Amino acid sequence: QKEVEQNSGPLSVPEGAIASLNCTYSDRGSQSFFWYRQYSGKSPELIMSIYSNGDKEDGRFTAQLNKASQYVSLLIRDSQPSDSATYLCAVEQRSSASKIIFGSGTRLSIRP
Amino acid sequence: DGGITQSPKYLFRKEGQNVTLSCEQNLNHDAMYWYRQDPGQGLRLIYYSQIVNDFQKGDIAEGYSVSREKKESFPLTVTSAQKNPTAFYLCASYDRVGPEAFFGQGTRLTVV
Repeated sequence: QKEVEQNSGPLSVPEGAIASLNCTYSDRGSQSFFWYRQYSGKSPELIMSIYSNGDKEDGRFTAQLNKASQYVSLLIRDSQPSDSATYLCAVEQRSSASKIIFGSGTRLSIRP
Repeated sequence: DGGITQSPKYLFRKEGQNVTLSCEQNLNHDAMYWYRQDPGQGLRLIYYSQIVNDFQKGDIAEGYSVSREKKESFPLTVTSAQKNPTAFYLCASYDRVGPEAFFGQGTRLTVV
């Protein structure tokens, strides 16, 4: 079992719709969870971090965490073509000296 | 201007050579990380360090070495033992307060 799992996609969503990205993790000792966006050939940039169960909203983005199910998701409302990128889920495993592990990423394509 | 700097941006290595990738940060972060990214893939952890003079192997440490003699610096050496080193290498430092991992611009290494 991979430590952090994501569907590789591509996920195609029409402009203006909601894009839903999902991630599961294996280490129950994980403390902090992150969503990064990466454009082709560029470095990842942080969209959201979350560490408490429930929802966290920032503009068009909402992160959801369920530690009991070991599941974290990202919703993007009113999707724009500029949202087309690869989205990386990352998890901080405190049980392993703050090791930060990334998933393989989901490619998101917003079609006009 | 605080940030994390990787150099060089592009690096070419001949078969059998060791090369060193530089990573410097002035964000005063204790934790630093090295990741490798292959085309269409996520980030895989090579080495990480929580404090000066201490570091841990990640999931793909074979063929790589690091040092952490200063808080600001975490260089990565790709040795001749790494049989397939062509990849995009990303260095990150970690702010536990945010929390957030900040990335450098990356080094693209090619074996010629």
